[in-house]
Amino acid sequence: ELKVEQNPLFLSMQEGKNYTIYCNYSTTSDRLYWYRQDPGKSLESLFVLLSNGAVKQEGRLMASLDTKARLSTLHITAAVHDLSATYFCAGDRDDKIIFGKGTRLHILP
Amino acid sequence: DADVTQTPRNRITKTGKRIMLECSQTKGHDRMYWYRQDPGLGLRLIYYSFDVKDINKGEISDGYSVSRQAQAKFSLSLESAIPNQTALYFCATGPRVRLGPDTQYFGPGTRLTVL
Repeated sequence: ELKVEQNPLFLSMQEGKNYTIYCNYSTTSDRLYWYRQDPGKSLESLFVLLSNGAVKQEGRLMASLDTKARLSTLHITAAVHDLSATYFCAGDRDDKIIFGKGTRLHILP
Repeated sequence: DADVTQTPRNRITKTGKRIMLECSQTKGHDRMYWYRQDPGLGLRLIYYSFDVKDINKGEISDGYSVSRQAQAKFSLSLESAIPNQTALYFCATGPRVRLGPDTQYFGPGTRLTVL
């Protein structure tokens, strides 16, 4: 059964710093997703990673996937306040999509 | 117009009442999902469906039932609501045949409070 773990669950960081959110999953996942959620809002898709070694970047966010280690990372470069949100990863096994608990990111000015 | 809609957006009900949450989509997707979100627990999958005759239990289906009335509609029912079902509920959709990096598309959520 697919299980997804994220860490850290809460991250407070200064603007301009770099940091990484980790997403481990327990068994083979067909895809790996990253979402962003702002307070009181729905989820917004950020990245979909399909294969080993996949890397995707959008602005200050970069996601990568290592299927052998069952690990995906979301790297934040030179954080800005607008990136404050909760970030979720999710694994997909036979269309059963399971989420991690989320990482609440708070970026201090 | 939004591609995935949920009704109601907010609902307060009492313990023991039956309640239905509805989800409609205009994206033509085959896959539909119901999740609940609780603070600190992320999103947990309740049920998911590939078509009107293909419905699957998720991680936490006890106390819930679903109906896929049509490709575009997927309803979640709480037969006898209890307070620990107080949560934010999300519907999501996705294409069945995925040729590329297709993702799920989420509705706006329904905030349910059971007193």
